[in-house]
Amino acid sequence: EIVLTQSPGTLSLSPGERATLSCRASQSVNSNYLAWYQRKPGQAPRLLIYDASTRATVIPDRFSGSGSGTDFTLTISRLEPEDFAVYFCQQYASSPMTFGQGTRLEIK
Amino acid sequence: EVQLVESGGGLVKPGGSLRLSCAASKFSFPDHCMTWVRQAPGKGLERVAYINEDGSEKYYVDSVKGRFTISRDNAKNSLYLQMNSLTVDDTAVYHCARGIGWFAPWGQGTLVTVSP
Repeated sequence: EIVLTQSPGTLSLSPGERATLSCRASQSVNSNYLAWYQRKPGQAPRLLIYDASTRATVIPDRFSGSGSGTDFTLTISRLEPEDFAVYFCQQYASSPMTFGQGTRLEIK
Repeated sequence: EVQLVESGGGLVKPGGSLRLSCAASKFSFPDHCMTWVRQAPGKGLERVAYINEDGSEKYYVDSVKGRFTISRDNAKNSLYLQMNSLTVDDTAVYHCARGIGWFAPWGQGTLVTVSP
């Protein structure tokens, strides 16, 4: 089973700043089959990025994904007030599919 | 807007049964694989089951094999999860989601609580 470890656990930043979130896999994620999601209280998770770097439909271009192998990054270039939420990664390269525990992005 | 709405959760005693439903709207439901994902309190997300477009292929996580059944009714744009022999470990929020790799969209989820 591929274990996904996200860091930091909590990230405190101000609107307008740049956010860099990490997702590290215990084994290589083949074909970079890694996705990122945003989750807000009381809402359904929202797909941001799939295949490590492809932005999902209607996701603003301030969100970008990068990385390969075991190290992946979600970058939010300039934080908007609505971006403060929990972000989690998911690998779908090998079974069982696994998810990271999440990074909480909070307003500083 | 493409949407998934779950229903059917609730409180049930160990050994009991529940049937979850997921209503899909604003997309061609028969053209997509569908998945149930759950999150137990204080735990991570876990894929429970998925089903292909016509229902001919199904997958279950080991912990629910023989107890849960995933199904779909393409004429009704609906996905189902029949859960039998429930245990306290099945307590979780259950989400339906479109896809079998990455998921979009997800439903908000329905809470299943298994308690004596």
